[in-house]
Amino acid sequence: EAGVTQFPSHSVIEKGQTVTLRCDPISGHDNLYWYRRVMGKEIKFLLHFVKESKQDESGMPNNRFLAERTGGTYSTLKVQPAELEDSGVYFCASSQRGSYNSPLHFGNGTRLTVT
Amino acid sequence: SQQGEEDPQALSIQEGENATMNCSYKTSINNLQWYRQNSGRGLVHLILIRSNEREKHSGRLRVTLDTSKKSSSLLITASRAADTASYFCATASGAGSYQLTFGKGTKLSVIP
Repeated sequence: EAGVTQFPSHSVIEKGQTVTLRCDPISGHDNLYWYRRVMGKEIKFLLHFVKESKQDESGMPNNRFLAERTGGTYSTLKVQPAELEDSGVYFCASSQRGSYNSPLHFGNGTRLTVT
Repeated sequence: SQQGEEDPQALSIQEGENATMNCSYKTSINNLQWYRQNSGRGLVHLILIRSNEREKHSGRLRVTLDTSKKSSSLLITASRAADTASYFCATASGAGSYQLTFGKGTKLSVIP
């Protein structure tokens, strides 16, 4: 089966610009997660979708971040306007079941650099 | 202080040796998971151990969990150069959320 794919792999933008990251989960996986790792810090949870619904968005840092999953397939994460502290690697993951005991399948991440 | 702190931060060993990484956490958990990340790639799930389990094996991997000490260890036996990667522990604490809390990871280098 195809894995979780993320696009783009790298993005360099200027402060104040907008960037949209895309994630295609494994086919059939209803659960989709976004995580982020900023330089030198831990990988942090951003939010969790079940199909097209936001199950938990407690990790979203502020209202400059908007995640969508229209139709319950792929997801986008938009940062508008981007700030310097948004730089980091954004990971998407999916799982078949929404369960504490379901391992996550991660994509390779999008490395975002805000200058 | 962080949930899921790995120790050591970096580890360098010779091929064929065993590698042990430790993880400590602070709150009660439903399970603890270990992931591997090769440079520039995504995280790959290695093993999940539930809070009522004490030890689990998968191939050359052995994970232990001590909930009384809030700690876990990952042992990789007979290491190979291909095991060179960063290893992360992550805890699932429940409370209505499926989010994982990750540590900063241990960077393992296996020298051929």
